[in-house]
Amino acid sequence: AQTVTQSQPEMSVQEAETVTLSCTYDTSENNYYLFWYKQPPSRQMILVIRQEAYKQQNATENRFSVNFQKAAKSFSLKISDSQLGDTAMYFCARRYGGATNKLIFGTGTLLAVQP
Amino acid sequence: GAVVSQHPSWVICKSGTSVKIECRSLDFQATTMFWYRQFPKQSLMLMATSNEGSKATYEQGVEKDKFLINHASLTLSTLTVTSAHPEDSSFYICSVEKTGEVYGYTFGSGTRLTVV
Repeated sequence: AQTVTQSQPEMSVQEAETVTLSCTYDTSENNYYLFWYKQPPSRQMILVIRQEAYKQQNATENRFSVNFQKAAKSFSLKISDSQLGDTAMYFCARRYGGATNKLIFGTGTLLAVQP
Repeated sequence: GAVVSQHPSWVICKSGTSVKIECRSLDFQATTMFWYRQFPKQSLMLMATSNEGSKATYEQGVEKDKFLINHASLTLSTLTVTSAHPEDSSFYICSVEKTGEVYGYTFGSGTRLTVV
């Protein structure tokens, strides 16, 4: 099965606080890529961060970082110093190999940053 | 990064008519493009993989005769919703991955289709 699971449909965080969004996935591959995308109300998909499975070091992009646990097939996103502009849907995604390299998304987490 | 243009951004059509959505890769040649469908407050569901010069690969449960995909050039893929019905109303998004480079997929701005 090709599944990416996000167990938190909605999350809320106070401005300037830290929040962690969870994601688990299935795979039988050893090397693959994981992504977090943000979808604001405009519905434009925006890449937040990506992680290559063969890299042990967790990826970091400014206020965004991941906790990649390969053995547990877990890929959580931590947002530090939350800002009002971070309010959006967040999707975890996994790139599947083979002939097409398709990207499969999780169910999404709606994050609301409160002032 | 890659630039992807999707057109139209929104369209309203009558039941029984067909609607074509275009996805253009503006700054590189894309042998593969992806089409997604998104219902309100739900995730992006992959419909099909568009392959330049060959038939599209459809995901399980997606009607290939309903959703016609044409990828006639390295910069353009089209999705045609044939004989549209109200249940086809949705948000359709295309995506490309730059060949040989994994930096993250680039997405079009989406098309909101409303069938009345």
